[in-house]
Amino acid sequence: DGGITQSPKYLFRKEGQNVTLSCEQNLNHDAMYWYRQDPGQGLRLIYYSQIVNDFQKGDIAEGYSVSREKKESFPLTVTSAQKNPTAFYLCASSTRQSEHNSPLHFGNGTRLTVT
Amino acid sequence: QQPVQSPQAVILREGEDAVINCSSSKALYSVHWYRQKHGEAPVFLMILLKGGEQKGHEKISASFNEKKQQSSLYLTASQLSYSGTYFCGTERRDDKIIFGKGTRLHILP
Repeated sequence: DGGITQSPKYLFRKEGQNVTLSCEQNLNHDAMYWYRQDPGQGLRLIYYSQIVNDFQKGDIAEGYSVSREKKESFPLTVTSAQKNPTAFYLCASSTRQSEHNSPLHFGNGTRLTVT
Repeated sequence: QQPVQSPQAVILREGEDAVINCSSSKALYSVHWYRQKHGEAPVFLMILLKGGEQKGHEKISASFNEKKQQSSLYLTASQLSYSGTYFCGTERRDDKIIFGKGTRLHILP
């Protein structure tokens, strides 16, 4: 079955360390997204990519970095510059984004805890 | 930039109706609606494109008023399975999908 795989489900890191969250999709989708979810804040957009080798900052990109070297993969690195990295991170993808009618397919998320 | 959702939370008894509203200050191309159960990924419900159309999904339907940049989600004869947090996502010219803070819906038996 096609879908989006995020790994790991739970991740623990010490403060000051960079950490990379994996997101892989086999849906042949062009667009991929990273959202951060905190209690009471909804889903906030970190980065998104519409095609390979291109990505744009979302509303809360500071302290994060991404790459899109392959269509299937969109890893997110949480750097030590991110002030409050502990959160639930969701990756999503969609197809034919330019038509404004493509639903997002979400992965199951990675819960990152930094102490 | 986030669309504003109201109410923040709703408690209903099974069989009652609910309306969740979503409004934006920016011109929109489309509005998405998703439902998220606790600890799970959001699940797509429907997309409303500009043009004021209304769509339905089981006993859940939605409308989009393009002029007012508002969308409403209607849950009719709610079932226990409808419990969760509902998010609207608004899409503008730049193709970003920005979500509201969510509306928590709790259905009592």
